[in-house]
Amino acid sequence: NAGVTQTPKFRILKIGQSMTLQCAQDMNHNYMYWYRQDPGMGLKLIYYSVGAGITDKGEVPNGYNVSRSTTEDFPLRLELAAPSQTSVYFCASRSDWGRSSYNEQFFGPGTRLTVL
Amino acid sequence: EDKVVQSPLSLVVHEGDTVTLNCSYEVTNFRSLLWYKQEKKAPTFLFMLTSSGIEKKSGRLSSILDKKELFSILNITATQTGDSAVYLCAVPGGDNQGGKLIFGQGTELSVKP
Repeated sequence: NAGVTQTPKFRILKIGQSMTLQCAQDMNHNYMYWYRQDPGMGLKLIYYSVGAGITDKGEVPNGYNVSRSTTEDFPLRLELAAPSQTSVYFCASRSDWGRSSYNEQFFGPGTRLTVL
Repeated sequence: EDKVVQSPLSLVVHEGDTVTLNCSYEVTNFRSLLWYKQEKKAPTFLFMLTSSGIEKKSGRLSSILDKKELFSILNITATQTGDSAVYLCAVPGGDNQGGKLIFGQGTELSVKP
């Protein structure tokens, strides 16, 4: 299993440009997440999905959009890039077995995005 | 509002030292607390704690949860340079929506030879 994969690894954008960060997992997980991590900070949740066709906002959704057309893929879209979106972006997934407990999330390698 | 606070924010020790990292939390409907290690890349899972007073152990790392006082500690004994990383603590959000995790700021541990 490849686990959670993300592309690209690095990207530089100009202000106002748009791009899509790709995320895929091959573990048949229903739950998927997008986080951003700024220097010296923990991870902040941008959007999440509990299954194909279902998405919801996290703590910091402004300036981003997501879609979930398949179980495997969960792309994150930046429409009008701003310097405040310079960050490292992590995608994660987890299984939904054992509803009475919580299962750990598995993280992708991250995408380092710089907006100039 | 759900909150996770870690301390210290950074720590420098020498190989062989023992370190204790702290995590306190405020969350409605607590279910579990998770520790992750992040070495310049994706966080990797270390422990999940659900019961108070029961130590989880993996080699030189151990962790314990105190549900009454709302905190957890992560201990690393006989530290090595390979333990240098950011250690993240997280709890599932109290609203139980989508299995969201609330992360602390992380503790950056640097182990010098």
